[in-house]
Amino acid sequence: GAGVSQSPSNKVTEKGKDVELRCDPISGHTALYWYRQSLGQGLEFLIYFQGNSAPDKSGLPSDRFSAERTGGSVSTLTIQRTQQEDSAVYLCASSPGAGGPRSYEQYFGPGTRLTVT
Amino acid sequence: AQTVTQSQPEMSVQEAETVTLSCTYDTSESDYYLFWYKQPPSRQMILVIRQEAYKQQNATENRFSVNFQKAAKSFSLKISDSQLGDAAMYFCAYRSASGANSKLTFGKGITLSVRP
Repeated sequence: GAGVSQSPSNKVTEKGKDVELRCDPISGHTALYWYRQSLGQGLEFLIYFQGNSAPDKSGLPSDRFSAERTGGSVSTLTIQRTQQEDSAVYLCASSPGAGGPRSYEQYFGPGTRLTVT
Repeated sequence: AQTVTQSQPEMSVQEAETVTLSCTYDTSESDYYLFWYKQPPSRQMILVIRQEAYKQQNATENRFSVNFQKAAKSFSLKISDSQLGDAAMYFCAYRSASGANSKLTFGKGITLSVRP
């Protein structure tokens, strides 16, 4: 079946602008994660959604970052007033969630490369 | 908090030979999962192999196998019969078995090159 998809693949924006990054998880996966990959910080967890539970936002680096997950499927990561240090690859992953064999495995999308000029 | 350490930034292997990538981790938990992910230049993170901490038997997936030493908190990846397509960055990752804390914690990664 189809894997995790993300759009856009690449995004160049000016400092101070807002950006929205989209993630479409694997159908039926109840858990969705956002990670950030940058040269200086490696791979960092940002936020986690599980079903209808309140999201785990413990990894968001500032209040300029927010994310939504509508209808338990598609998720949007929004970065307001972008800064140059926000330049990174933003990766989305989904997981089958609670129960079932290998429900703990996470499957990643191809990422969005964000460049803030 | 859990940490994952990959101390070798780069490694190189001859095609058809065997290479071992090292990973150590620190945790106070007794139940968890460990993973190796491969990231080629396309950026797509690909799950290579997984290990449940409660299982003593080392996981194997075709040419990929792990050496899981729970007491030593060590989780190395062995790639046998290396192929040109194995060239990529490899990340070791930890996940708590607690449902409330399911994020992955990654090491810094290692760049593997394969010589023809």
